[in-house]
Amino acid sequence: SAVISQKPSRDICQRGTSLTIQCQVDSQVTMMFWYRQQPGQSLTLIATANQGSEATYESGFVIDKFPISRPNLTFSTLTVSNMSPEDSSIYLCSVDTSEGDTQYFGPGTRLTVL
Amino acid sequence: GQNIDQPTEMTATEGAIVQINCTYQTSGFNGLFWYQQHAGEAPTFLSYNVLDGLEEKGRFSSFLSRSKGYSYLLLKELQMKDSASYLCAVRAPYQLIWGAGTKLIIKP
Repeated sequence: SAVISQKPSRDICQRGTSLTIQCQVDSQVTMMFWYRQQPGQSLTLIATANQGSEATYESGFVIDKFPISRPNLTFSTLTVSNMSPEDSSIYLCSVDTSEGDTQYFGPGTRLTVL
Repeated sequence: GQNIDQPTEMTATEGAIVQINCTYQTSGFNGLFWYQQHAGEAPTFLSYNVLDGLEEKGRFSSFLSRSKGYSYLLLKELQMKDSASYLCAVRAPYQLIWGAGTKLIIKP
């Protein structure tokens, strides 16, 4: 199993500012994933972060808005840039097991943009 | 396209059994996952099926039929703490495609 922590757990931000969310895993993993979950909705994949290469973004998400760093095999950050109220959501990072039979999630970051 | 369908909401009685269905149409298939998510919390892993058949894990069982694009999660001896959303996800072929989730309400 993998234990994942995220910081901050929640934040309230002003429109036009940026927030960087950190994700730390207790073991080395190849792929880390960033999801968004808006109230009452299911999970939407933002991007896949691989160590040593550019993140792969899903349709509807761009690097300028959601820059991602992956400096090593246990850590990643997601920045939500130039925030608007529509960015209010829970942001989750997750990792795959090496066997691919489980995806573990961090506790999430609850973001409110005023 | 990629599509996963689950009922939006179900209600059941404490101590009873409930079956939550999931049907999928995806490009590729490398396994189906069930997750439980309590309000305000992250999803937690329940089960993984890659071959046809039933996987039993305590009070929870999950079934898969790849030919029918169908899975169900069976919860027995329901407890109040089982009130949560249950998410079905298919790995197709490498990333997870998520259903909208089924909100399960348990009544005493």
